[in-house]
Parts: sequence; C-alpha cells; structure tokens
Amino acid sequence: QVQLQESGPGLVKPSGTLSLTCAVSGGSISTTTWWTWIRQPPGKGLEWIGEIYESGLTNYNPSLKSRVTMSVDKSKNHFSLTLSSVTAADTAMYYCANKYTTYYIDWGQGTRVTVSS
Amino acid sequence: EIVLTQSPDVQSVTLKERVTITCRASQSIGSTLHWYQQKADQSPKLVIKYASQSVSGVPSRFSGRFSGTDYTLTISSLEAEDVATYYCHQGTSPITFGQGTRLDIK
Repeated sequence: QVQLQESGPGLVKPSGTLSLTCAVSGGSISTTTWWTWIRQPPGKGLEWIGEIYESGLTNYNPSLKSRVTMSVDKSKNHFSLTLSSVTAADTAMYYCANKYTTYYIDWGQGTRVTVSS
Repeated sequence: EIVLTQSPDVQSVTLKERVTITCRASQSIGSTLHWYQQKADQSPKLVIKYASQSVSGVPSRFSGRFSGTDYTLTISSLEAEDVATYYCHQGTSPITFGQGTRLDIK
C-alpha cells in the first residue's frame, strides 16, 4: 500500500481553473497502476473524474472530459488534475486514489475545494 | 455508461441486526463490482472486492454475493462502528458508483 496526499487551493473563482496535486509516498508512481481522481460534492455521492497511467495514458469521465487534464510527474512522484471553467457545481471534496486491478485500495484523505467569488 | 442503483437510500438499523444492501447494475458486469464503506469525514474504505471476495483487515461479518446484475452486501451482525454510508462501484470505464446507502441507528 502507498500513501496519497492531495494538495491545492481550497478556493477557486468561478470560470477559473482548479489545480490539484496528489503526492505518492511509500512507493513509486512508475508502477503498473492507474492513478485516479474522484470527487464528492457536499452531502452527495462519489463521482469518478478520471485516471492516468504512469505512461501518461488517460481515461476521463465523458461528462467532464472537455474540461479535465491529468498528468504524471515521475521526478516528483506525484500526479495532477486540472479542471477548467469551474462553476459552483464543481465544489466538492477531491480524492486521489490508486486503482489495483479494478478497485481502489489506497485513498488520500481528500482536499476540499470551493468555487466561489 | 453502466448505472448502479442502490437500495435503500437510507436504512434505520439496530445493533446486532443483520443488514442487507442491494446494488443493481444496468447491464451485465460479472463480478467486477466492489463495495466501500465511508464514515463521516473519512475517505472511502474497500470492504468487499469482486462482488464476494473478502478484504484483508475487514471483519468477517461483511460479505457479498451476486446473481445476474443484482449484488448484495450483508453485515451479519451490525456493530456501532459499521454505521456509515456504503457505495457500490463498477470498474468498467466510464467508472461509476452507486448513489450510496446510509445506515442510521434507530
């Protein structure tokens, strides 16, 4: 198991860009796994945002695809999420996770992002 | 997109009660269905993988089974620490989760 830690601004202005990073410790990001972002609006359920392989291959949620970019930085052992043109509907707790085959065994503690002027 | 529908949305339970939560998939996904427990202000935690496989460190009172596109998570004897929201999850892209089932103590 690895440890994951999200970081980034807690407040983003409407129409701006949300940028988060997930630091991986206790293991290398260059492993055969998909690094994932999942979010949870206040009081609601879990929504898959997308995933990135260590090679840079990505899969995104079709509902967010036009606004999402993910990247991997092997030198820093972290991966990142950017979400553009944010609105209040993007206010959520954002989690990073490590997918083992098809399930998530490691999760970060989450970082809360509020979209507000 | 595969839709997962959980029932019930909220279940009022008593300690030591046998609890069953259901998740129905909109199309066949075989055993690629996993269950997570999320306690208040915590990250989700895997409790059952591949529909019926146990997870290391998770109490044996948690079990899962499936038939066709219907999946169930059972807690054989509810403990206070089991009060949480439970989500099912399917691993075929685009990945989706059920809407969650919240357990409340009566």
